[in-house]
Amino acid sequence: EVQLVESGGGLVQPGGSLTLSCAASGFTFSGYGINWVRQAPGKGLEWVSYISPGTDSIYYADSVKGRFTISRDNVKNSFYLQMNSLRVEDTAVYYCARPQPVAGPNGYDYWGQGTLVTVSS
Amino acid sequence: DIQMTQSPSSLSASVGDRVTITCRASQSISNYLNWYQQKPGKAPKLLIYAASSLQSGVPSRFSGSGSGTDFTLTISSLQLGDFATYYCQQSYSTPPWTFGPGTTVEIK
Repeated sequence: EVQLVESGGGLVQPGGSLTLSCAASGFTFSGYGINWVRQAPGKGLEWVSYISPGTDSIYYADSVKGRFTISRDNVKNSFYLQMNSLRVEDTAVYYCARPQPVAGPNGYDYWGQGTLVTVSS
Repeated sequence: DIQMTQSPSSLSASVGDRVTITCRASQSISNYLNWYQQKPGKAPKLLIYAASSLQSGVPSRFSGSGSGTDFTLTISSLQLGDFATYYCQQSYSTPPWTFGPGTTVEIK
């Protein structure tokens, strides 16, 4: 069974840092990339970042570029999102989401349960 | 960046109704369009990918259509478990892979 489990969320002051983890199981980890998607309280979904299976493709939303870093550990079967210089507007539930293993247009077929990041003084 | 819009932003419907939600992209995205359902406090669930392909395990009352800039999600006969918020997302070319603002389907 495919599972994605996020952790690492919490309360942090503006300007602070936090690292989110996404532990994956039930599929061949090295063959998949991952997306991070966030949702501010009461708001819609916002795509944040993507890392490819071989880390040769890494992308960020403009809103987090230069502050967030996505990475993966193929030994620990985990993805990470390091978040620096956090702002109040980064407050959100953060999800990791796996792209479907299909050629061509694809969506995110498995999502974690989400982890809440609150940036507040 | 490609912008996504959805209409309506919310709708009220009854069990058994046929419901249609529209999504429009700011430029052509071919068929690189996905639909998700989200219930309060839960992660989104993939319903439709590639504009019209039904994700495994999703009931056949859900269908998608469209290509280019205009897309539609249809629920042929609304069930109690379908009251939720629905998002479209484009996955065309390079990121950002933007989501629409969402459409909330409420009980009439």
